[in-house]
Amino acid sequence: EVQLLESGGDLVQPGGSLRLSCAASGFRFDNYAMVWVRQAPGKGLEWVGTIIGSGAAAYYAGSVKGRFGISRDNSKSTMYLQLSDLSAEDTAVYYCAMSPTLFAGLFHWGQGTLVAVS
Amino acid sequence: QSALTQPPSASGTPGQRVTISCSVSSSNIGNNPVFWYQQLPGAAPRLLIYNSIERPSGVPDRFSGSKSGTSASLAISGLQSEDEADYYCAAWDDTLYTWLFAGGTKLTVL
Repeated sequence: EVQLLESGGDLVQPGGSLRLSCAASGFRFDNYAMVWVRQAPGKGLEWVGTIIGSGAAAYYAGSVKGRFGISRDNSKSTMYLQLSDLSAEDTAVYYCAMSPTLFAGLFHWGQGTLVAVS
Repeated sequence: QSALTQPPSASGTPGQRVTISCSVSSSNIGNNPVFWYQQLPGAAPRLLIYNSIERPSGVPDRFSGSKSGTSASLAISGLQSEDEADYYCAAWDDTLYTWLFAGGTKLTVL
C-alpha cells in the first residue's frame, strides 16, 4: 500500500525558514516523480513544484521560485521542501504526492502538514 | 484570466447525474489531457480521472471524464450524499513545465 507522510509543518515568523519532509513507502520511490501541492485556508489547490525520480531536476511554480527548494534522498525514500523568506501568503497545508512521470497525474497524496506564517 | 476555469458551485439530488465543466483557455495546455481530483471535507485530494477519461483503480464507474477540444467535463451519475466534495480539474503545461489547477467546484448534494 502506498503511503505518504508529511511532517515538519509549524508556526513560523515572516521571513523565516522551514523544512518539510515527505516519507514514502509501498512503492519503488526512485521510479516516481514527487510533487508538492499547497492549499491556503479556504482556497483551492496550488502546485508548488515537482522533482523527478533521480532528483537531477526540479521544477517550481513562479510564486515560490527562488525561495523554495525541493530535494530527495532516494536511499531514505524521502522528499524535502525547504521553504525560505516566508510570508503570510505561504500559509497553507502542504501536501506531497507521487506521479509516474512529470505529467502523468498525482496518483497518491499524503494527508498534509500545516505551515502557518505569522 | 485563469488557464483553467470551472464553475464555483454545482448541485444535484441523490440519484441524479451532474456534470462539472472545465474550460481550457491556454494554448500551452489545450491539447493536453485533463485530470480530475476529488477533495472530501477535511481530507486530502485524491485522483479521480487521469488522461481525461481514465479512472484509477478503486474509483467507482459512476465517475467519468470527457474532453473535446478545449473543454473537459466530469460526470457523476447516480449521485450519492458522499459525493459532496470539492472537485478540481488540472492540466500539465509542457511549455512552462508547471501543473495548473482550476479554482475548484463545490458540489452540494441536496
